[in-house]
Amino acid sequence: AQSVTQPDIHITVSEGASLELRCNYSYGATPYLFWYVQSPGQGLQLLLKYFSGDTLVQGIKGFEAEFKRSQSSFNLRKPSVHWSDAAEYFCALYNNAGNMLTFGGGTRLMVKP
Amino acid sequence: KAGVTQTPRYLIKTRGQQVTLSCSPISGHRSVSWYQQTPGQGLQFLFEYFSETQRNKGNFPGRFSGRQFSNSRSEMNVSTLELGDSALYLCASSLNPGQGTNGYTFGSGTRLTVV
Repeated sequence: AQSVTQPDIHITVSEGASLELRCNYSYGATPYLFWYVQSPGQGLQLLLKYFSGDTLVQGIKGFEAEFKRSQSSFNLRKPSVHWSDAAEYFCALYNNAGNMLTFGGGTRLMVKP
Repeated sequence: KAGVTQTPRYLIKTRGQQVTLSCSPISGHRSVSWYQQTPGQGLQFLFEYFSETQRNKGNFPGRFSGRQFSNSRSEMNVSTLELGDSALYLCASSLNPGQGTNGYTFGSGTRLTVV
């Protein structure tokens, strides 16, 4: 069975500091992986996606993620966090057979001034 | 290009009632999926529709149902509401089934509160 785990429920960083949000997945085939962001009361916005090829993928808003097959991880990073990045972040795995997404539990990011 | 539109944004219902939520996908998108988001269970897949047919369904009781119209708009219905059905219901659209590899576009959701 496939699964996605985000080990950190909450993370607090200072504005201007770097950020890394962890995501681990379990899937028997080549994974299609995504990071979404959700602001309070809003839907999900796609930040970036990984299918194959380069293991470092660039997304919107200055985010990037690195796929590491050996560690079954797809961690999200940003070099310098802005106060507007405060939100909840979800890692997701696409199930090709079911045409559905399996989400991690989410990581809530707080940004200190 | 308009995004995914969900109506209503907020809804309060009483236990035992039924509710219908609506989703209009991005123009040209023909596949619509529904997800339930709760603090306890997180984001869970409800079902997916394409060409007016339900293609997949998640692990939810039969009280949860849906349909899709010829213009790709979709509705989901929950009958005999329970307190645990209180959640944010999110709709996502994609061009076609299998296009989920491109990433879905989500609506802002309908916040359902059951009292």
